[in-house]
Amino acid sequence: GAVVSQHPSWVICKSGTSVKIECRSLDFQATTMFWYRQFPKQSLMLMATSNEGSKATYEQGVEKDKFLINHASLTLSTLTVTSAHPEDSSFYICSARDGYGYTFGSGTRLTVV
Amino acid sequence: GEDVEQSLFLSVREGDSSVINCTYTDSSSTYLYWYKQEPGAGLQLLTYIFSNMDMKQDQRLTVLLNKKDKHLSLRIADTQTGDSAIYFCAEKTLRNTDKLIFGTGTRLQVFP
Repeated sequence: GAVVSQHPSWVICKSGTSVKIECRSLDFQATTMFWYRQFPKQSLMLMATSNEGSKATYEQGVEKDKFLINHASLTLSTLTVTSAHPEDSSFYICSARDGYGYTFGSGTRLTVV
Repeated sequence: GEDVEQSLFLSVREGDSSVINCTYTDSSSTYLYWYKQEPGAGLQLLTYIFSNMDMKQDQRLTVLLNKKDKHLSLRIADTQTGDSAIYFCAEKTLRNTDKLIFGTGTRLQVFP
């Protein structure tokens, strides 16, 4: 079946630095990828929809200058958390649409200290 | 608007059946999904059902859809300790053709 690889699995960074998270579709082409944020014991909150070759569509309340999304190829989307702060600490999950369904990456635990 | 609700917690004994319920408000659902999330991991697709179906069975999993009541359920037969996880239902609608709307998640705990 479809596989989405997400890296890194976890990252610790200092306040003020930027962190890049990668999401790759390994055996299929993904024109559309999605980035979610999940707080402890909560559901997934869609942050943005990433479209290959065009600008991402951000959900209301998500700062596009803070969370930079690039989808430069049909198999790779990246999320960069810029000037990270402790409140950005969270679990970030990507997914890609594969036909009728959606395949999810394994998530990235970001801790900002 | 779109709203997908689930009960927060379910506890069952190993070997019993588990039934996880989900209600939604958007009647333009096209597909409905069930995902499983283990601690610290991403989401694993368990099964899905097209909105014009009433039931779908896949090994130990049975999905029931009552479109009139906008109610979806997932039954896990012979529940095992490895089934302990958080289960999310999600809907895809005509209103949002690309996005999935997730439920609040149900934590299933299986005890011996």
